[in-house]
Amino acid sequence: EAGVAQSPRYKIIEKRQSVAFWCNPISGHATLYWYQQILGQGPKLLIQFQNNGVVDDSQLPKDRFSAERLKGVDSTLKIQPAKLEDSAVYLCASSLTRGRETQYFGPGTRLLVL
Amino acid sequence: GENVEQHPSTLSVQEGDSAVIKCTYSDSASNYFPWYKQELGKRPQLIIDIRSNVGEKKDQRIAVTLNKTAKHFSLHITETQPEDSAVYFCAALSNTNAGKSTFGDGTTLTVKP
Repeated sequence: EAGVAQSPRYKIIEKRQSVAFWCNPISGHATLYWYQQILGQGPKLLIQFQNNGVVDDSQLPKDRFSAERLKGVDSTLKIQPAKLEDSAVYLCASSLTRGRETQYFGPGTRLLVL
Repeated sequence: GENVEQHPSTLSVQEGDSAVIKCTYSDSASNYFPWYKQELGKRPQLIIDIRSNVGEKKDQRIAVTLNKTAKHFSLHITETQPEDSAVYFCAALSNTNAGKSTFGDGTTLTVKP
């Protein structure tokens, strides 16, 4: 079984620029999560999709972050414009369904904003 | 919303000793509690989980206990080995709150040979 795929693995941008991350979950997984992991902290949930619908985006800074999962499969997360404090690892995870199901994480995208 | 606190933030043990990491949660609706191991530069990987209808679960050298009344759960690693050195995260998920997951801030475990 293929795992969760993410790209790019690394990205360096200057503040005020925009950036986009891509995630392809495990086939058949209905729930997709985007997390932000700042160095030394646990993953913080940004947004959660159930198929192509958003079920939780309460911690997503909507003035600069956006995400979509148009066909209920892969997803993109965008930051525009980026700030220095957005430097973090962005992890995508998927699970069969929401709630009491194991989440499988992708390798993450390490973002550095200069 | 849910709040998960994890202690200690760092833990150093001698090889062969036991290690215990504790987490508390605030939302009584949380009913699924996974533990992840994250090695430097790698993705979090599930090592064990427990559901709210169970008080204890064991898998070889790893065990997790859950006290729903006190709202805390713990990870126990026995006979630690240097390869157990990593950051460990607990999490709490609520089936009623859109399945939202909240992670603790992690424990850096160092096992000295």
